[in-house]
Amino acid sequence: AQTVTQSQPEMSVQEAETVTLSCTYDTSENNYYLFWYKQPPSRQMILVIRQEAYKQQNATENRFSVNFQKAAKSFSLKISDSQLGDTAMYFCAFDKYNNNDMRFGAGTRLTVKP
Amino acid sequence: DTAVSQTPKYLVTQMGNDKSIKCEQNLGHDTMYWYKQDSKKFLKIMFSYNNKELIINETVPNRFSPKSPDKAHLNLHINSLELGDSAVYFCASSQERRPHGYTFGSGTRLTVV
Repeated sequence: AQTVTQSQPEMSVQEAETVTLSCTYDTSENNYYLFWYKQPPSRQMILVIRQEAYKQQNATENRFSVNFQKAAKSFSLKISDSQLGDTAMYFCAFDKYNNNDMRFGAGTRLTVKP
Repeated sequence: DTAVSQTPKYLVTQMGNDKSIKCEQNLGHDTMYWYKQDSKKFLKIMFSYNNKELIINETVPNRFSPKSPDKAHLNLHINSLELGDSAVYFCASSQERRPHGYTFGSGTRLTVV
């Protein structure tokens, strides 16, 4: 079974600064998807960014980017120019290709301080 | 239009009762899921349904039963509720090829007293 590990239970960052959230995963698969989801206090699960394993280029969505290291099985999320609205739980998730079974890490609680 | 909607948003009930949570998606997705988020925020998959067929059933007590009347609906029925069932339950949906991930409902906070 695939496992996803987020080693940082909590992190904080000053507004306008950059923060990186870590995620590692364990799999024997070659084809899969990786995601970062954000869960603000409203509890809605919001997709932040996604990466397909066969793509070497790191995904970018505005202030959010990932560092995908397939060999190291690492998938970190970088948030640039942090905003107060970025305060939330962030979950890393792994989804094996053609398998309806997305697995989540334990989450990192990020607080952006003014 | 809400893509994945689940009702109710909050549910408080006594131990031993039977309750249902409803979920509907209007995205035309072919797979729907139920996840449980515990008090420590850990998300665990409970069930998934593809074209009305159960394809994953994690180690969930058989008091929990998913019911899918059609491709757009996946309801969760819970019998004989226990204190440990208190959690937030999320419904989600996806396409078979999922580069876009899952779309989640807003969650149902179930409190068993």
